Amino acid sequence: TAGITQAPTSQILAAGRSMTLRCTQDMRHNAMYWYRQDLGLGLRLIHYSNTAGTTGKGEVPDGYSVSRANTDDFPLTLASAVPSQTSVYFCASSPDRTTGELFFGEGSRLTVL
Amino acid sequence: EDQVTQSPEALRLQEGESSSLNCSYTVSGLRGLFWYRQDPGKGPEFLFTLYSAGEEKEKERLKATLTKKESFLHITAPKPEDSATYLCAGPDNTDKLIFGTGTRLQVFP
Repeated sequence: TAGITQAPTSQILAAGRSMTLRCTQDMRHNAMYWYRQDLGLGLRLIHYSNTAGTTGKGEVPDGYSVSRANTDDFPLTLASAVPSQTSVYFCASSPDRTTGELFFGEGSRLTVL
Repeated sequence: EDQVTQSPEALRLQEGESSSLNCSYTVSGLRGLFWYRQDPGKGPEFLFTLYSAGEEKEKERLKATLTKKESFLHITAPKPEDSATYLCAGPDNTDKLIFGTGTRLQVFP
């Protein structure tokens, strides 16, 4: 079973360039999330979507945008990357917004130089 | 401010040496406390949900307990394959999970 698929697995990006991290789920979950994980800071929520067609800002949304055109896909876009966006990005989903049982992807490691 | 704090940051155990990990929270009106396991280079994997003080959940060598102010993850007779980072999380007032920074557990044979 695939669950959550993220792409790319790893990417090196020049500062100022744009980048879209892809996330697809096959569980028909309503809620989806993007987190970044940094050493010493843990997982921090960037953006979320409670259901297709809606999105919301998390704890650290600046410099990132998301869209939720359908149930399965939740891409994260960096319009103009900066070195502070170097991180490991995790996409997650849950059946609905009220459950804390999240299913995570394997992560996308992004380095901005 | 809603906050989840885990201790210790790192823990090294000999195989068979039992211990406990701590998760304290200041999330108001707690609506669940969640434990995850994360292996290096992987995404977190859900372990347990605890909803009320006194509740306990078990899975193999792991047992999670909850009081009004904190949760413990007890590891009994750990094996090297239990080595991982253990994360706890609680929902804020918008039901979004706030994660602690984790405890990195290493179990040596």
